[in-house]
Amino acid sequence: RKEVEQDPGPFNVPEGATVAFNCTYSNSASQSFFWYRQDCRKEPKLLMSVYSSGNEDGRFTAQLNRASQYISLLIRDSKLSDSATYLCVVAGGGSQGNLIFGKGTKLSVKP
Amino acid sequence: GAVVSQHPSRVICKSGTSVKIECRSLDFQATTMFWYRQFPKQSLMLMATSNEGSKATYEQGVEKDKFLINHASLTLSTLTVTSAHPEDSSFYICSARDRGQVYGYTFGSGTRLTVV
Repeated sequence: RKEVEQDPGPFNVPEGATVAFNCTYSNSASQSFFWYRQDCRKEPKLLMSVYSSGNEDGRFTAQLNRASQYISLLIRDSKLSDSATYLCVVAGGGSQGNLIFGKGTKLSVKP
Repeated sequence: GAVVSQHPSRVICKSGTSVKIECRSLDFQATTMFWYRQFPKQSLMLMATSNEGSKATYEQGVEKDKFLINHASLTLSTLTVTSAHPEDSSFYICSARDRGQVYGYTFGSGTRLTVV
């Protein structure tokens, strides 16, 4: 089983749509969770951290279920500029605290 | 905010030559530097972790004699791909962590290496 698994997509949605991404992780000792965004041929950029209580940042909502080892990201009212690959990232399972990346889910928002 | 400057952004080299990639932390001390590699349509995979002044710790399957990492100062870490081959062509990216920040990571902008 891969450490961090995501649906690779692509998700092709019209502007204004709501889209949800899911992610599962295998290491129950993981301590921190993030969603990153990666544009083509660019470095990943932190979108938001994910907390057990759930957190929202504008049109973006992230949820964490530690019991199920499941993370989600919801994007409401999607914009053309949301087109990117969304990476589920987990940290804290290793001794050095390195980040472990999922393969990413590609989102394409169409006019 | 914290910035990591990574150079070069793109390099094409001949098979058998060596390539050095630099990552410099600006305005903060990078006590730990993570080096990742990303092949097309794949996830970022950790290659090695280096702490300033110590030898790097390599992930399983990553040849330490081929991928030389130097982290001699708190603001500079380098990755040298020695005797590069076409299969080393990839996107290499560093990520620095500041002293005292457990999960505060700053990424470099990445280096796209093509070996011909």
